[in-house]
Amino acid sequence: AQSVTQPDIHITVSEGASLELRCNYSYGATPYLFWYVQSPGQGLQLLLKYFSGDTLVQGIKGFEAEFKRSQSSFNLRKPSVHWSDAAEYFCAVEADKLIFGTGTRLQVFP
Amino acid sequence: GAVVSQHPSRVICKSGTSVKIECRSLDFQATTMFWYRQFPKKSLMLMATSNEGSKATYEQGVEKDKFLINHASLTLSTLTVTSAHPEDSSFYICSARPISSGEQYFGPGTRLTVT
Repeated sequence: AQSVTQPDIHITVSEGASLELRCNYSYGATPYLFWYVQSPGQGLQLLLKYFSGDTLVQGIKGFEAEFKRSQSSFNLRKPSVHWSDAAEYFCAVEADKLIFGTGTRLQVFP
Repeated sequence: GAVVSQHPSRVICKSGTSVKIECRSLDFQATTMFWYRQFPKKSLMLMATSNEGSKATYEQGVEKDKFLINHASLTLSTLTVTSAHPEDSSFYICSARPISSGEQYFGPGTRLTVT
């Protein structure tokens, strides 16, 4: 069965620092992979997605993610974090339905 | 484009009553809509998939008689929580998939509190 693991429950970074959020998935075939962001009390906004092709995917708000089949990973990165990036981040894999990871809460200090 | 709305954004109801949550795709038609439930500090769990004009498909463990889903048009799906109890309190999020796309677009969510 497909599953998604986000090992980091909570990450704190300083504004301007680089960021990497980890995501590992379990799925038998080539997955469709997504990263979403959720601000408190809000719905989800799609940051980026991978379906096929180039394994380095660019998204909105300066985020990127790299699909590594050998590691079953799809880590999210940003070179310089802004205070407005503080939110909950969810990785998801889609087979017949979207399966979400448990999320990583990002806190940004000025 | 691809905006999904939910109404209400927050609702408080008494135990034993029913509450209806609406999910609308504002600028596209959606043959499929999804309902998710999110517990505090937890991930989203798919409750059911609804297709316009047909019965919803519920995930294992979700009571179909308690969570009634209607998808009467290509732009509207409703979730009715019947005989609500405090344990039904949660954040409910819908999403809609356009006819022409495989991507889901999410609504802003509805916070349900049952007292």
